[in-house]
Amino acid sequence: KAGVTQTPRYLIKTRGQQVTLSCSPISGHRSVSWYQQTPGQGLQFLFEYFSETQRNKGNFPGRFSGRQFSNSRSEMNVSTLELGDSALYLCASSLEQQGETQYFGPGTRLLVL
Amino acid sequence: GESVGLHLPTLSVQEGDNSIINCAYSNSASDYFIWYKQESGKGPQFIIDIRSNMDKRQGQRVTVLLNKTVKHLSLQIAATQPGDSAVYFCAESRSYSSASKIIFGSGTRLSIRP
Repeated sequence: KAGVTQTPRYLIKTRGQQVTLSCSPISGHRSVSWYQQTPGQGLQFLFEYFSETQRNKGNFPGRFSGRQFSNSRSEMNVSTLELGDSALYLCASSLEQQGETQYFGPGTRLLVL
Repeated sequence: GESVGLHLPTLSVQEGDNSIINCAYSNSASDYFIWYKQESGKGPQFIIDIRSNMDKRQGQRVTVLLNKTVKHLSLQIAATQPGDSAVYFCAESRSYSSASKIIFGSGTRLSIRP
């Protein structure tokens, strides 16, 4: 089975712009979660989706949003980018709604200038 | 509060030696633990997991030990190879809980000396 894929892998944006990141889960996995990873904060939970519904959201401002499509693919959007949004954004998929074991994609490295 | 931490932020071992990476957790309700390996420029890779009804679980060259009495988790890598160089971090959760409840450790960087 192919693993979790994320596009794009690298992105450079300027402050104030918006960005959309895409994630395709492992075939058959219905739950997708997003994480932000920075050297100082480690892995921080952003959102969790199952069957096109957002099940949980982490402590991030409303500029961070996401959605899941009927084929389980997911996107996340960050509007009005700030310098502090520079990070590695990781998508993970799991088989069921109660996704204990998260299988991660390679991530999208976002740099905000 | 709940926390998952690592005793050592960096670990340097001789190639061929065994590596032991430690992790402490504070939530006694956690019953599922995972070790991830993250190489530079890549996403975390699942290595091995263990449930609280077990004390030990073995994989290919890796062993995870769980000591519930002292809330300690360790990852042992046998015959460490250059390809094992990475950041390793543990994660704890409770069975049937959502991804939002998973707590990830900060990671230990493993470097291999030739």
